[in-house]
Amino acid sequence: DVKVTQSSRYLVKRTGEKVFLECVQDMDHENMFWYRQDPGLGLRLIYFSYDVKMKEKGDIPEGYSVSREKKERFSLILESASTNQTSMYLCATRGGLQPQPQHFGDGTRLSIL
Amino acid sequence: AQTVTQSQPEMSVQEAETVTLSCTYDTSESDYYLFWYKQPPSRQMILVIRQEAYKQQNATENRFSVNFQKAAKSFSLKISDSQLGDAAMYFCAYRSLRGGYQKVTFGTGTKLQVIP
Repeated sequence: DVKVTQSSRYLVKRTGEKVFLECVQDMDHENMFWYRQDPGLGLRLIYFSYDVKMKEKGDIPEGYSVSREKKERFSLILESASTNQTSMYLCATRGGLQPQPQHFGDGTRLSIL
Repeated sequence: AQTVTQSQPEMSVQEAETVTLSCTYDTSESDYYLFWYKQPPSRQMILVIRQEAYKQQNATENRFSVNFQKAAKSFSLKISDSQLGDAAMYFCAYRSLRGGYQKVTFGTGTKLQVIP
């Protein structure tokens, strides 16, 4: 089974802090994704990466950046956290181009005070 | 751009009964994939079922089946013999086959309650 591990289940930070959310996968998948999940809005894509050091903006990249220095690790960075970034953040991976589903981590519930 | 609509924010079903969750989508593409994901409370999101658009036969996985109506752009999920463990948020997702990234668009979710 694919294992996608997010570093924290719950995180509380203050406005203006730099926040790092980490995601590690163990299946050598090329594609990794960061979503935020908000009630009534579903999942919205922040960034994705299709290879090491390669990244593409998703639908809501503003206020976020990402880093993928190694294939198994994909980090989401909030450069200067704001209260409107309080949300559930989900990391996902996907391998290959077949109709493979995405595999999700447990999520990080981030609160910005 | 594709859109995915789940018009039922919440639904409930009696244990052992059958329930159908609706999903419609908008696309100009002819080939794509569709998925239903399940997210139990405070637990990981997992795949329930998938459908490839070029396949006319509806996908089935044990108690879960879909009614895929390509012309109507409808992809509903039927859960038979509902169990307490089926209580969760259910998300419908559309995956484009265009481009190297193959973007996935999610619906807003349907919260399913199972009543004992």
